[in-house]
Amino acid sequence: AQTVTQSQPEMSVQEAETVTLSCTYDTSENNYYLFWYKQPPSRQMILVIRQEAYKQQNATENRFSVNFQKAAKSFSLKISDSQLGDTAMYFCAFTNNAGNMLTFGGGTRLMVKP
Amino acid sequence: ETGVTQTPRHLVMGMTNKKSLKCEQHLGHNAMYWYKQSAKKPLELMFVYNFKEQTENNSVPSRFSPECPNSSHLFLHLHTLQPEDSALYLCASSQAVQTSGGYEQFFGPGTRLTVL
Repeated sequence: AQTVTQSQPEMSVQEAETVTLSCTYDTSENNYYLFWYKQPPSRQMILVIRQEAYKQQNATENRFSVNFQKAAKSFSLKISDSQLGDTAMYFCAFTNNAGNMLTFGGGTRLMVKP
Repeated sequence: ETGVTQTPRHLVMGMTNKKSLKCEQHLGHNAMYWYKQSAKKPLELMFVYNFKEQTENNSVPSRFSPECPNSSHLFLHLHTLQPEDSALYLCASSQAVQTSGGYEQFFGPGTRLTVL
């Protein structure tokens, strides 16, 4: 079974600064997908970024980028130029290549301070 | 309505009540999911439906009974619940897995359930 671990329950960052959220996972699969989802307070969960394990290039989406280290089974999220609207719970998630069952980490609560 | 909607948004029920949660997706997807989000545990996948067929039941107690009458609607029927079942129940949808997976899941706002 796969497991996903987020070791930082809470983090804070000053507006306009950069913050990195950590995620590690455990799997015996070679092909899989990794995700970061964002859940703002009282709002719906949305996808931030997605990484395919067979792609060596790290995914980027505007101010959001990942550092995917397949051998280390690490998948961190970097948020540049943090904005107040980035305040949310962030969940790292895993699914294997053949399925659509997401395994989530415990989440990191990020607070962006003005 | 757009995206994934869930009703009701809040529900309080006694342990002997029977109630149902409803989810509807307007995205043309063929896979739908129920998740449980508790305060002190990671998001837990409960059920997966692909093309209206249940393909995963993640060891969920029988007091939770899902129903998927078509690809756009998903229900979660609740009966004889326990206080520890109080949680946020999230519905999601995505493209169904065919040759490979990894599709983005789109989530609804959730139903906040309190069992007294």
